[in-house]
Amino acid sequence: GAVVSQHPSRVICKSGTSVKIECRSLDFQATTMFWYRQFPKQSLMLMATSNEGSKATYEQGVEKDKFLINHASLTLSTLTVTSAHPEDSSFYICSAGRTLGDTEAFFGQGTRLTVV
Amino acid sequence: GENVEQHPSTLSVQEGDSAVIKCTYSDSASNYFPWYKQELGKRPQLIIDIRSNVGEKKDQRIAVTLNKTAKHFSLHITETQPEDSAVYFCAASGSGGSYIPTFGRGTSLIVHP
Repeated sequence: GAVVSQHPSRVICKSGTSVKIECRSLDFQATTMFWYRQFPKQSLMLMATSNEGSKATYEQGVEKDKFLINHASLTLSTLTVTSAHPEDSSFYICSAGRTLGDTEAFFGQGTRLTVV
Repeated sequence: GENVEQHPSTLSVQEGDSAVIKCTYSDSASNYFPWYKQELGKRPQLIIDIRSNVGEKKDQRIAVTLNKTAKHFSLHITETQPEDSAVYFCAASGSGGSYIPTFGRGTSLIVHP
């Protein structure tokens, strides 16, 4: 199956700093990647759809200036949590499909962000 | 948009018993229904999926059924084992031509040895 790698797996940062999370498709090109946030014992909440070469599409209620998404190549999308605060602490997961319209989602390992 | 409801939120069974998780969806245009298993702190992994032109699919101890008329689909795990303990998510996609899945809230399955 397709492999999606996410880095880092864990990060602890101070309040007010920014954190960048990378999502890479290792053996396929991903025109579109998705970023999810998952609270403890809860479902995957779609934050935004990352499109290569264009602006990301954010879900309602997700702050664009807070969660910056860049999809500069067909194998890499990044999520930057800017001016992080403790309430941003969460599990962030990316996913990608192999081709446009591919219905199976391949997930990255996830990133546990803790803001202190 | 699509809305996916999943029940129960928690399911506790004895090893060897069967487990059933049910999901309903709202948009009749959805045509792809995957199930994901997520172990604690790890990524969701696809375990089985079904498309709208099929009513049932089985893979060893796991099966999924789909009732398009009623707009519900279910995951069946037989002869459960402790390693089946995880959170299971159903999802639906295909509504309006979109392949972005809408996930259910998840079911925490606990299999007691």
